[in-house]
Amino acid sequence: EADIYQTPRYLVIGTGKKITLECSQTMGHDKMYWYQQDPGMELHLIHYSYGVNSTEKGDLSSESTVSRIRTEHFPLTLESARPSHTSQYLCASGSGPGYGYTFGSGTRLTVV
Amino acid sequence: GQQLNQSPQSMFIQEGEDVSMNCTSSSIFNTWLWYKQDPGEGPVLLIALYKAGELTSNGRLTAQFGITRKDSFLNISASIPSDVGIYFCAANFGNEKLTFGTGTRLTIIP
Repeated sequence: EADIYQTPRYLVIGTGKKITLECSQTMGHDKMYWYQQDPGMELHLIHYSYGVNSTEKGDLSSESTVSRIRTEHFPLTLESARPSHTSQYLCASGSGPGYGYTFGSGTRLTVV
Repeated sequence: GQQLNQSPQSMFIQEGEDVSMNCTSSSIFNTWLWYKQDPGEGPVLLIALYKAGELTSNGRLTAQFGITRKDSFLNISASIPSDVGIYFCAANFGNEKLTFGTGTRLTIIP
């Protein structure tokens, strides 16, 4: 079944740690996106990719970085986590925004 | 940048009632989408609209692409408990990114 997977679902980590949030999709989509969302609030685009070796920063400035070495994989990395990074991170993919995005279930990150 | 304003911000209704929400912008869009997000999950696409004036249904949900191309409406008929969640509109003008609305939180009062 074609889908998009995010791991971990929940992560509690100490300040200063390096973390990588995983996102994989099995739909063969070229376009992938990372959104940051505080509970019940708006979705803010922080990174996107239109294909392998293509990454761009989104509308909301973020200290995180992304990579796109394989079509199906779009991980997000924080080199040094801080409490201000506490949020939900949602990964999405699509064949084009006119067709809508498919979202993963998200990673709820808490930095203590 | 482009902004989508959703209203109302939150709704408290009783089971069985009909629901109406809308999304407006000062910009013109070519595509309007409606998503629903359950607590702790990612948004799920409900309805996609591609033409000004288009009216599309998905079960008890009906959405319309405004004639001016600057707004869209979502109606839910005979609400049930599983309708609870946050509804987001999204729109696109042919560039590669979707713009998302501010969300409408729907709560059903017992």
